[in-house]
Parts: sequence; structure tokens; C-alpha cells
Amino acid sequence: DAGVIQSPRHEVTEMGQEVTLRCKPISGHNSLFWYRQTMMRGLELLIYFNNNVPIDDSGMPEDRFSAKMPNASFSTLKIQPSEPRDSAVYFCASTLSGSGEQYFGPGTRLTVT
Amino acid sequence: AQSVTQPDIHITVSEGASLELRCNYSYGATPYLFWYVQSPGQGLQLLLKYFSGDTLVQGIKGFEAEFKRSQSSFNLRKPSVHWSDAAEYFCAVGATIAGANNLFFGTGTRLTVIP
Repeated sequence: DAGVIQSPRHEVTEMGQEVTLRCKPISGHNSLFWYRQTMMRGLELLIYFNNNVPIDDSGMPEDRFSAKMPNASFSTLKIQPSEPRDSAVYFCASTLSGSGEQYFGPGTRLTVT
Repeated sequence: AQSVTQPDIHITVSEGASLELRCNYSYGATPYLFWYVQSPGQGLQLLLKYFSGDTLVQGIKGFEAEFKRSQSSFNLRKPSVHWSDAAEYFCAVGATIAGANNLFFGTGTRLTVIP
């Protein structure tokens, strides 16, 4: 099993640009989570999906952030427009309902200049 | 509401010494508990988990943790630390919400290992 796949691994962009982060969950998992990690705020849950349906997006910081899961094997997190304070590592995790643990991807390190 | 407290932000131990990382949780029902490890530049890797049964659980890399309901604790231990154990360690409590396995993480404990 390839595990959770995230792309790109690193992204450097200028303020005001659109950024799209991608995630492929583990095959067969039916829940997907997006997290953001910074030194100041630690690990924050942004949004999660169950069976491709967004369940809770209360962690999404602003309307500039949006996430989609068009099918069971793909999700995107979009920031438009990006700002320097969005610089962080963004993690995607997936799980199978009832199994308990989440499996994390390697993360995308985003730098907005 | 679910929450996790890791009281130690940073711990330094000598290689070969024993290790205990503290974790206290708040949860209304029988908790699902986890320890994850994050090496620099990496994602979070599951070390071990407790769902039910034996309160002493064994994990990967020689780690173990003990669930103590009376103390609402789930401390992580290792008898002899290796330099490669230097990393950030996160304790988490799990809850099923709307059919999905949510995790509520502590703020993490950074482990430094000195020769």
C-alpha cells in the first residue's frame, strides 16, 4: 500500500496567488481529514469528509480556504488568494470508519511570500 | 468535550536512559487513545493505540503505553532511548463523530536525545 499521497511536497508562491494542495487517501478508506501545522498554533483540523461528504469545516480559517472531495480517491484544498500567514505544513489523513487510527500523508510545506 | 494535555513541551534525555512522556485526556466515555511520532520534515506515524482490553499496550520501535482510567492518563514509555527517537510525540484521543474517526491531539512533546 502506497499510503496517503500528497502533492506537491513543497510549494512556494507569491501573495495573492491561488494554491491547490492535493491528496489521495489510502484505497478503501472512507474518511479524509485536512490539517494545518504551524509552530505557533500546532496541529489544527481544518475540515473532514466522510464518504466524500464534508462533515465539519468549522476549522477552515477563512472563506479564502475551500476543500472538495469529488470522489473517494481524491481531495483538494484550495487557498485563493493566498497570504503570508497561510505559510504552514498541510497534512492530509485518511481512515476507515470504525478502525480508529488515522494515517497521515507526508505533508505539503507551503510558503507564501 | 474531548481534550488532551501533554504537560511537557520539551524533554531531554541521554541515549540509553529510560523515557516517560505524559499524557492526560478528558473524555466522557471509554476513550480510544493514540500516540503518534513526527520526525523532522515528516508526517505523523502511529506508534501505538488503546481501544480496550489490556491496559498496557505495545507499539513499534520498542515503545509502550499504559492506560490508567483512574488518573485519566496514557503515558508513553521506553526503557532505553536511542538517538533516532529524537522527534515530536503527540498523544491523541479518538471519537467517532458523524461516522468518522476524529482525533483530538495534544500540543506535543519534543524529545531531544543527547549522547
